[in-house]
Amino acid sequence: GENVEQHPSTLSVQEGDSAVIKCTYSDSASNYFPWYKQELGKGPQLIIDIRSNVGEKKDQRIAVTLNKTAKHFSLHITETQPEDSAVYFCAATPYDKIIFGKGTRLHILP
Amino acid sequence: GAGVSQTPSNKVTEKGKYVELRCDPISGHTALYWYRQSLGQGPEFLIYFQGTGAADDSGLPNDRFFAVRPEGSVSTLKIQRTERGDSAVYLCASSLADWNEQFFGPGTRLTVL
Repeated sequence: GENVEQHPSTLSVQEGDSAVIKCTYSDSASNYFPWYKQELGKGPQLIIDIRSNVGEKKDQRIAVTLNKTAKHFSLHITETQPEDSAVYFCAATPYDKIIFGKGTRLHILP
Repeated sequence: GAGVSQTPSNKVTEKGKYVELRCDPISGHTALYWYRQSLGQGPEFLIYFQGTGAADDSGLPNDRFFAVRPEGSVSTLKIQRTERGDSAVYLCASSLADWNEQFFGPGTRLTVL
């Protein structure tokens, strides 16, 4: 079955700097890759997604890249702000499942 | 409502008891999903409904877990003979189309003593 690995598990960056979170997946059938942000006590919230026919997608300060050959995808957050502090999850969707990574706790330092 | 709602927000029960967790999806969303999230982990798929029927229940850990969605809207996750290992946050999500943009509720934190 699909296996999603996510790194790092914890990331601290200075406010204003960029943050990068990386994920790998194992099942080449995966064709949809969402990223979720989860704040304390809340459910995950979709922040950006990418499909397998696209290599990069950007939405304001957030961008995601996908390398199908290498089976990895990354989240990039630029000009980080205090409200970006949260846990971020990548996910891959092979056929009729969605498999999440274990999450990255992002700390934005003042 | 504007989003997915779940009740109760917190549930504390004793080992061996029966619990029901409720999910109200976004109006018009035909697909509904249940996940379980343990501390420090990502959500783990349990079951997926398309309309009233369970399209995939392969994530349910054992036969103590059961879910229904009788009218294609509200869903209830039922856990019989609860065990301490069932303690987790149970998340519900809904979407307009299968396995696309899913909107999550705030979750129910279940604690089994």
